[in-house]
Amino acid sequence: NAGVTQTPKFRILKIGQSMTLQCTQDMNHNYMYWYRQDPGMGLKLIYYSVGAGITDKGEVPNGYNVSRSTTEDFPLRLELAAPSQTSVYFCALRSGSGANVLTFGAGSRLTVL
Amino acid sequence: KNEVEQSPQNLTAQEGEFITINCSYSVGISALHWLQQHPGGGIVSLFMLSSGKKKHGRLIATINIQEKHSSLHITASHPRDSAVYICAVRRETSGSRLTFGEGTQLTVNP
Repeated sequence: NAGVTQTPKFRILKIGQSMTLQCTQDMNHNYMYWYRQDPGMGLKLIYYSVGAGITDKGEVPNGYNVSRSTTEDFPLRLELAAPSQTSVYFCALRSGSGANVLTFGAGSRLTVL
Repeated sequence: KNEVEQSPQNLTAQEGEFITINCSYSVGISALHWLQQHPGGGIVSLFMLSSGKKKHGRLIATINIQEKHSSLHITASHPRDSAVYICAVRRETSGSRLTFGEGTQLTVNP
């Protein structure tokens, strides 16, 4: 997943704890997305950003927050972890022009106990 | 009914077979993506289509905008093609957002 760094790869949280999933890119892409993937389900959009300083809610934003202070970074914050947030999280990028392909981070497997 | 439907959900083939995975959608779109998710979980982009047909190696993707349908074909399938194949559409009315199908699990046996 050249150009996209997503951390951590694995994390176990207790109910009520908070954490931040980091997503950093060096591809200078405008569009960044956070998805969650539950077993047997399609990717669901949590939040997205079309550029620095601009973020918007996706399909399942409750329990999450994001910020986009720079083009490179798009962190996803869980404030009060709940078991329903146990999932695999993917950060993704899209240039918005040219070939316009999607580039995904390696994924973060989060378990809330 | 999901806006993006893939068929089949599961597909088992023998090495060398020609494989077709289908994606139907119910909304107007500006682009459609085919993705591959490996058993280890990583997701890679295979194609982005807005019309016609694209080919890369043994993979061919086609789209029929009028019929709201796309197909992904794999020629001379190989066990390393075993993965989940995911279709995603970018709606005309929400240009930044993507809607995903639930994926097709492909297993190619030697």
